[in-house]
Amino acid sequence: DQQVKQNSPSLSVQEGRISILNCDYTNSMFDYFLWYKKYPAEGPTFLISISSIKDKNEDGRFTVFLNKSAKHLSLHIVPSQPGDSAVYFCAASASNGGSNYKLTFGKGTLLTVNP
Amino acid sequence: NAGVMQNPRHLVRRRGQEARLRCSPMKGHSHVYWYRQLPEEGLKFMVYLQKENIIDESGMPKERFSAEFPKEGPSILRIQQVVRGDSAAYFCASSIGPGTLGLPDTQYFGPGTRLTVL
Repeated sequence: DQQVKQNSPSLSVQEGRISILNCDYTNSMFDYFLWYKKYPAEGPTFLISISSIKDKNEDGRFTVFLNKSAKHLSLHIVPSQPGDSAVYFCAASASNGGSNYKLTFGKGTLLTVNP
Repeated sequence: NAGVMQNPRHLVRRRGQEARLRCSPMKGHSHVYWYRQLPEEGLKFMVYLQKENIIDESGMPKERFSAEFPKEGPSILRIQQVVRGDSAAYFCASSIGPGTLGLPDTQYFGPGTRLTVL
């Protein structure tokens, strides 16, 4: 049962353009969402997060949007750079029951930014 | 400031052998989490430990798998009598705490151990 879904296995964009990575979730108890970036042979690196009390969080070139009614979030990278090429994982957690540390990950989207 | 360390990076075992994966958390972190990534899948939570305590092992298979985080030394994920289905990347993460006010503390991941069972 995939509670966090990243339906696009891959995405290719040109340098300087916007990259939009999408994520859907099914568990309505999720109230905290994160994006991690992963290079080959390395562990995931935390990128940005958003709490369900917000609908947008911005950090430099990275913005995450949350649409709770649609159970959908997206990561926008603008402008995209070749160094952004990596696998991006969407993750979620639920604060009820005291287990907010338990992250549920999607399968990831491979972003390729072409020079 | 060293990040999360995992060793070995690659481990090859034959069916029936034991695998021991080690994780040293970031300096100042006393909370450790283990995740497993099967091929073509996302990371899946296995276990959450604090020093000398298992807090949540709900994601760990009931048999053959165990984890510990002793007072001294790294956290160990142990898989006994490995089978081919155990082949995966095992990631360890650490955080300062479990989180506050409903928000989890950021988990920092190690580079992973890639286990191959022949």
